[in-house]
Parts: sequence; C-alpha cells; structure tokens
Amino acid sequence: QSVLTQPPSVSAAPGQKVTISCSGSSSNIGNNYVSWYQQLPGTAPKLLIYENNKRPSGIPDRFSGSKSGTSATLGITGLQTGDEADYYCGTWDNSLSAGGVFGGGTKLTVL
Amino acid sequence: EVQLVQSGAEVKKPGESLKISCKGSGYSFTNYWIGWVRQMPGKGLECMGIIYPGDSDTRYSPSFQGQVTISADKSVSTAYLQWSSLKASDTAMYYCAKNGVTAGWDYWGQGTLVTVSS
Repeated sequence: QSVLTQPPSVSAAPGQKVTISCSGSSSNIGNNYVSWYQQLPGTAPKLLIYENNKRPSGIPDRFSGSKSGTSATLGITGLQTGDEADYYCGTWDNSLSAGGVFGGGTKLTVL
Repeated sequence: EVQLVQSGAEVKKPGESLKISCKGSGYSFTNYWIGWVRQMPGKGLECMGIIYPGDSDTRYSPSFQGQVTISADKSVSTAYLQWSSLKASDTAMYYCAKNGVTAGWDYWGQGTLVTVSS
C-alpha cells in the first residue's frame, strides 16, 4: 500500500486531455514539492515534472503539474499514442527516515 | 551529461549473496543523494533507502531496514546495494536514481534485474 494514492488507470482518446490525481497528507505533499515520472513499457522512469509544476528541459508543454494542499495533479493535453505509460507521483515524507515516497502508479491508455 | 550506469542482470539462488552497483558520472557524485528503488514484477516503485556519498549518511525505508545494505565508494563514484541472503521475493528490477534536492529524482539508472530462483 503506497503512501500516496493515485487512480490505477485512466484513459482517453488521441488529442484529448487527461488528468491524474495524487493524494497524500501534511507529512508529504502538504509540506514538500511533488514530482511526476513517466515509465514507458520496459524502460526506467523518467522525470516529467519537478517542484510541483516545472518541466525539465526536453519535456513538452503538453505536460503540466499543479498542487493544492495535500493533493497534486498531472495534466496531459493533446494525447498521443506514445504517451501510453505508467505515471507516478513522488515526494518527500518528513515522517520517514529515508524520505522518498511514490504513488502506486497510474496506467494511461490512449484509446 | 549526467549518467547513472548500473551493473548487469543477475540470476541467483535463494540464500546466496549479491552486490549490485550504480556508477555516476557527469556531476559531482559526492554532493547529491542517491536512492535505490525496487520495482517488483508488474508493481509500482518503492524507495528502499538513500545514501549521501559525501559522508556515507545512509537511511533505510522501514520495509527494507535490516534486509539490504546500501553503501558508496566516492573514489569511484559508485553506489551499491547488497543482500547477504537472497529470497525468492527479492526478484525485482532495481533502479538507482540521483536526487536533485527539490527537483525530485532527476536521473535514473537503466535498472538491474535480479532473479532469485532455485
């Protein structure tokens, strides 16, 4: 059972928009930055969003992030078949010695 | 260019020991936390523990405390994850990742698949 809660799956048609939620608590999301990761099949996770809403170099602006209170949201617009992947939220948890925590992951299907 | 290069896949028997590695390059290895992340087959990401190579400060997630040992050798910019006695339930993909402070886990290794089977 993950510290952060994500929906197991979401789906949408090509060209449409989708959002993925990530719910936590005051010890994690409420007091720390949130990051989002994309894991394409058979590959290592890749950083998509950091500090709640910033994109690393090379990440298209179709991907966006936001945070409010103890929840965060990843948005993807103009869906492409290549966006089919697992998406994870992550943050730090102040109550844990190792700190890093992830959501359970959300499988995005582009219909 | 920042890179984390992990050692190759391993096939081991229950009870055997194992040490896998993660070599960092393209950045100051001693100044950023390195984390080890487990992904069991068909499952999500779990942070096992973290190490600060500059002073070897090491912290473990509760589920992994006492089950594995994380270490680092800053002279060769390499972090390690080791087991003294593997179990079938240790079968998983293991990733190392660099922590960019507020930037989350900004670079990841390619993963090391560990298979434990009799």
